[in-house]
Amino acid sequence: DAGVIQSPRHEVTEMGQEVTLRCKPISGHNSLFWYRQTMMRGLELLIYFNNNVPIDDSGMPEDRFSAKMPNASFSTLKIQPSEPRDSAVYFCASTVSGDPPYEQYFGPGTRLTVT
Amino acid sequence: GNSVTQMEGPVTLSEEAFLTINCTYTATGYPSLFWYVQYPGEGLQLLLKATKADDKGSNKGFEATYRKETTSFHLEKGSVQVSDSAVYFCALNKGGSYIPTFGRGTSLIVHP
Repeated sequence: DAGVIQSPRHEVTEMGQEVTLRCKPISGHNSLFWYRQTMMRGLELLIYFNNNVPIDDSGMPEDRFSAKMPNASFSTLKIQPSEPRDSAVYFCASTVSGDPPYEQYFGPGTRLTVT
Repeated sequence: GNSVTQMEGPVTLSEEAFLTINCTYTATGYPSLFWYVQYPGEGLQLLLKATKADDKGSNKGFEATYRKETTSFHLEKGSVQVSDSAVYFCALNKGGSYIPTFGRGTSLIVHP
């Protein structure tokens, strides 16, 4: 299996621009998670989906952040407009919600730098 | 609610030293417990897991035992290598839930 795929791996953008991060979960996994990792705040859960439906987005920091999962093999995390404080590594992870103990499979991450 | 507490890092060791990274948790019932490892520039990956009390998870020379009485899941390795330098995350899934709770991570630095 190819594992969780994220793109781009690195993104550098200017403040105010729209940023779209992409994730392809492992085939057959029905739950998908978006995380943000920074030195100051550690690993934060932003939002998660089950069977393509958003279940909990309480971790999304602001309305500038939005996430979609139009089908079982693709999800996006969008930041519009971006700000320097959004600079972080963003991870996508997937699992099978009906198959305990529910270990998570992480992608390689997207390192976002907003200047 | 659920929580995971890990020892503060960084932990700095010489090669071949013994490693312990402490992890304690708060959760009702019988959660599943995990250690994930994050190598520089990579995502987290599962290192080992245990799903019930007294279970021992092991992988790549690392071990951790699920201690219900002390609500702990300490990570140990008898002889660390430079290649073990990474950040280690303790995590739990409360029984029946696929939503994980992660600790803040502990950085391990191993010198030659």
